[in-house]
Amino acid sequence: SAVISQKPSRDICQRGTSLTIQCQVDSQVTMMFWYRQQPGQSLTLIATANQGSEATYESGFVIDKFPISRPNLTFSTLTVSNMSPEDSSIYLCSVGGALNYGYTFGSGTRLTVV
Amino acid sequence: AQSVTQLDSQVPVFEEAPVELRCNYSSSVSVYLFWYVQYPNQGLQLLLKYLSGSTLVKGINGFEAEFNKSQTSFHLRKPSVHISDTAEYFCAVSDPDTGRRALTFGSGTRLQVQP
Repeated sequence: SAVISQKPSRDICQRGTSLTIQCQVDSQVTMMFWYRQQPGQSLTLIATANQGSEATYESGFVIDKFPISRPNLTFSTLTVSNMSPEDSSIYLCSVGGALNYGYTFGSGTRLTVV
Repeated sequence: AQSVTQLDSQVPVFEEAPVELRCNYSSSVSVYLFWYVQYPNQGLQLLLKYLSGSTLVKGINGFEAEFNKSQTSFHLRKPSVHISDTAEYFCAVSDPDTGRRALTFGSGTRLQVQP
């Protein structure tokens, strides 16, 4: 299965600023997914990112707040813009396997907004 | 759209005792089912998955799960737990028929193994 490197692992940010999270995969994948895990909660899908097309956002998430880039088949970034304390969460990227439906997750980015 | 219900938010159990973590999904159409474990301050690790075939699925760390289509359940079991199994466990579903490839997660079950 794919191996994902996610950076940064954690960060503490000031409100009103932006943070870009990177995910690098060791093999080419068609789909990448970005999830948010709020404190003590389960995972919620933010968006699906396909290479060469605009990301597809879930209800409640908008591109202005969470812009995503997918420049090639091994890399994606998620930006959390104009942050507020309510954005404090763990953000995880994931890749979905077309061959065996194995989904691999990055180690997550623990974001604290102060 | 699929939904997943994990009936127990917390399950305390003594070391070496058996455990079952319950998971039900919302539809009886074809589904792919997964169990993930999240240790404190870590990402998600796949325990096991059901795509098709045998309804009894064996995973890592001695866990297994049984797919029951009539009851729309996919309960996770381990015959003897260890302290190191203390973690959060998530059941997740994917719906291949809709083309939606992302996973939908349950709310999670915190397994607390006591000595």
